[in-house]
Amino acid sequence: EVQLVQSGAEVKKPGESLKISCKGSGYSFTSYWIGWVRQMPGKGLEWMGIIYPGDSDTRYSPSFQGQVTISADKSISTAYLQWSSLKASDTAMYYCARPRNRDSTFDAFDIWGQGTMVIVSS
Amino acid sequence: DIQMTQSPSSLSASVGDRVTITCRASQSISSYVNWYQQKPGKAPKLLIYAASSLQSGVPSRFSGSGSGTDFTLTISSLQPEDFATYFCHQSYITLITFGQGTRLENK
Repeated sequence: EVQLVQSGAEVKKPGESLKISCKGSGYSFTSYWIGWVRQMPGKGLEWMGIIYPGDSDTRYSPSFQGQVTISADKSISTAYLQWSSLKASDTAMYYCARPRNRDSTFDAFDIWGQGTMVIVSS
Repeated sequence: DIQMTQSPSSLSASVGDRVTITCRASQSISSYVNWYQQKPGKAPKLLIYAASSLQSGVPSRFSGSGSGTDFTLTISSLQPEDFATYFCHQSYITLITFGQGTRLENK
């Protein structure tokens, strides 16, 4: 079964760092881009960026460039989203997602992780 | 950026109704539009890709149409499990954008 499994919910304080993960299985992890999507409470979907684990080519939305870091470890089929200094406004659900077709960013996302809830509060 | 303007933002309908949701792109994006359904506390689920192709396993009451700048998601006969939020998504450029969402409620 093709799936993306994300790490568990996190509760952090402002200024702390955080790295959440998304582990792929059931397919060739290095051949598909993995994207990250933010959903703030009660709000819509915002695309943050995307990475190709095969060579770590990474593209960011201008809204998130410099605010987060996307990375991947192909040896363990895992993509990451990290913050160096969290803010209260980072409180949201974060999803990873995989496009339908290998080697393509210009595609629908057919496989989604279950989401990781991040709460940042003092 | 390519803006995706989705309407309506909310919609009340009854089981059996025909429902239409639209998405307008700020520039021509060919057929690079996809539609998702999201239920509370769940990840989005792909319904339609490339404007009009039905994702495997999705009921045939869902359909999509359009090209260029104007796109439509139609549910031909609303079922109880269809009450959810729907999002359009353009994948024409790597700088992906989503519509604001349409919340479909039971009248």
